[in-house]
Amino acid sequence: DTGVSQDPRHKITKRGQNVTFRCDPISEHNRLYWYRQTLGQGPEFLTYFQNEAQLEKSRLLSDRFSAERPKGSFSTLEIQRTEQGDSAMYLCASSLGNGNQPQHFGDGTRLSIL
Amino acid sequence: LAKTTQPISMDSYEGQEVNITCSHNNIATNDYITWYQQFPSQGPRFIIQGYKTKVTNEVASLFIPADRKSSTLSLPRVSLSDTAVYYCLVGDEGGATNKLIFGTGTLLAVQP
Repeated sequence: DTGVSQDPRHKITKRGQNVTFRCDPISEHNRLYWYRQTLGQGPEFLTYFQNEAQLEKSRLLSDRFSAERPKGSFSTLEIQRTEQGDSAMYLCASSLGNGNQPQHFGDGTRLSIL
Repeated sequence: LAKTTQPISMDSYEGQEVNITCSHNNIATNDYITWYQQFPSQGPRFIIQGYKTKVTNEVASLFIPADRKSSTLSLPRVSLSDTAVYYCLVGDEGGATNKLIFGTGTLLAVQP
């Protein structure tokens, strides 16, 4: 499978715990994006990387959210001190950074906060 | 970024052609129009993209009038497996940010 891969697919944790999600993009894609999706809504943009550089993070929901892409390949999204409102699907997408290339999405990590 | 408006839901029957129209009155010169499909518990999947006139691929056609203030996704001969949420987006895919702004989409329900 050469698509975007996300791990884990599901995560259940207690309020206040830290969680980290991983995204492996399509290998030749230099752009990587994180989105959050709640029930009945479309995905909401959070942040994006061009190679290892995080070029926009203003949409990260709070300072409890952070993302990294240390070597320009896989990325991690961390949520610290989780709250009930963080329960959502977290989606990763990747694309080629030239021209009008569409984004390719993974199937997400579903986070449930108890 | 241009906002889009599309119907919340549509119903169809197997074998019919379905047309979903999207309004984007404030589309910018550099913006492309892109449609995604999403099934429950899966990420959105790219369907088709266009800038003007008509684009066709193996799964759909996209019709864009000259003023580009709207677009229509056409799905020929739908089947039950086409039941999904369809999102219309406009944006500068090659631009500096390249972030996608999703609305709530159109839930297409195909019945036998």
